Amino acid sequence: DTAVSQTPKYLVTQMGNDKSIKCEQNLGHDTMYWYKQDSKKFLKIMFSYNNKELIINETVPNRFSPKSPDKAHLNLHINSLELGDSAVYFCASSHLLQSGATLHFGNGTRLTVT
Amino acid sequence: AQSVTQPDIHITVSEGASLELRCNYSYGATPYLFWYVQSPGQGLQLLLKYFSGDTLVQGIKGFEAEFKRSQSSFNLRKPSVHWSDAAEYFCAVGMDDMRFGAGTRLTVKP
Repeated sequence: DTAVSQTPKYLVTQMGNDKSIKCEQNLGHDTMYWYKQDSKKFLKIMFSYNNKELIINETVPNRFSPKSPDKAHLNLHINSLELGDSAVYFCASSHLLQSGATLHFGNGTRLTVT
Repeated sequence: AQSVTQPDIHITVSEGASLELRCNYSYGATPYLFWYVQSPGQGLQLLLKYFSGDTLVQGIKGFEAEFKRSQSSFNLRKPSVHWSDAAEYFCAVGMDDMRFGAGTRLTVKP
């Protein structure tokens, strides 16, 4: 009965490859997010979707493409992976933040690019 | 633009000692304020949040935080730290989106 689940937990790949991370939430939330956590633990928002529509798109290379097939899923596809993409990627979900909603996080996907 | 500052990158306290983690925010109005905790290899878990009203907020695991508008601060406290409290702590502000501070790593000495 995991609330926010993301797969895989670990992802090791070579530069230049394309990879995807999947995220699903069963909390009935209408907003989902991708955050990137670097080696210094800094958390930076990448994307946010509300009801399958993109509402936040920070300055992220266009090699990163989120896709939301429905409200419960938000996947992240990364093309032409680079060394600097190595990080932990967190998926999260919430109700609308303007209402003071809380973010619920997955356990993260540790991406290592070699 | 909204921002969050956590001045302390790393704090070490002895088990049983009191704890205070600092957080300052910058926002045009009083935003929603949060503290999250991240244990190793885990996602972030909400400790407590402030919206309005009583400026002293109680959270889980014996934590509390006090909102001080005049200082734009939302410091996290715990009277007696347990070894299991060792983790990374993040302060966050949320309105249109959620912005996190850089985090404070807490080490607990036996």
